[in-house]
Amino acid sequence: AQSVTQLDSQVPVFEEAPVELRCNYSSSVSVYLFWYVQYPNQGLQLLLKYLSGSTLVKGINGFEAEFNKSQTSFHLRKPSVHISDTAEYFCAVSAIYSPQGAQKLVFGQGTRLTINP
Amino acid sequence: DTEVTQTPKHLVMGMTNKKSLKCEQHMGHRAMYWYKQKAKKPPELMFVYSYEKLSINESVPSRFSPECPNSSLLNLHLHALQPEDSALYLCASSRYGLQGHGSPLHFGNGTRLTVT
Repeated sequence: AQSVTQLDSQVPVFEEAPVELRCNYSSSVSVYLFWYVQYPNQGLQLLLKYLSGSTLVKGINGFEAEFNKSQTSFHLRKPSVHISDTAEYFCAVSAIYSPQGAQKLVFGQGTRLTINP
Repeated sequence: DTEVTQTPKHLVMGMTNKKSLKCEQHMGHRAMYWYKQKAKKPPELMFVYSYEKLSINESVPSRFSPECPNSSLLNLHLHALQPEDSALYLCASSRYGLQGHGSPLHFGNGTRLTVT
């Protein structure tokens, strides 16, 4: 069964500093990986996705992530953060739902990113 | 602006009330989802409709009753809820039906439900 582990529950960073949010997944089959962001009192917004091809994926708001199959990781990075990046970030893997063979998203526990001035 | 619209934004209901949550999308997506999210937790899948048919029910109690009147609308009917059902209820849609692996989900902003 597929699973996702986000290694940090909270990450405090100063404004304009770089940040990395870590995500590891477990799967015995090919996976599709996603990062979502949730701002306070809002739903989840897709930041980026990895389906196939280049292992470096660029998303919205200056975020990027690198798929590393050997380390089963999909870490999210941004070179310079802003106050507006304060939010909850969820890594997710697309799992195959038996018995229909349908897609189901499995989320990590989330990482709270706090940007300090 | 989100392309998945949920109403109402907030709902307070007593344990004997009957209410409904509504979700609408006009992106032509063929799969629609209900998720429940408790504070400081990830979303938990409740139901999935694919091509207007209920495809996945994650063993949700019968006091939650989903309905998909057409490909653009998704409802969640609530009856005899418990205080522990208080949560943010999120609707989502994806372009393809359940067999469309890798199709990202588009979420609404949710309905904040409080059961008293």
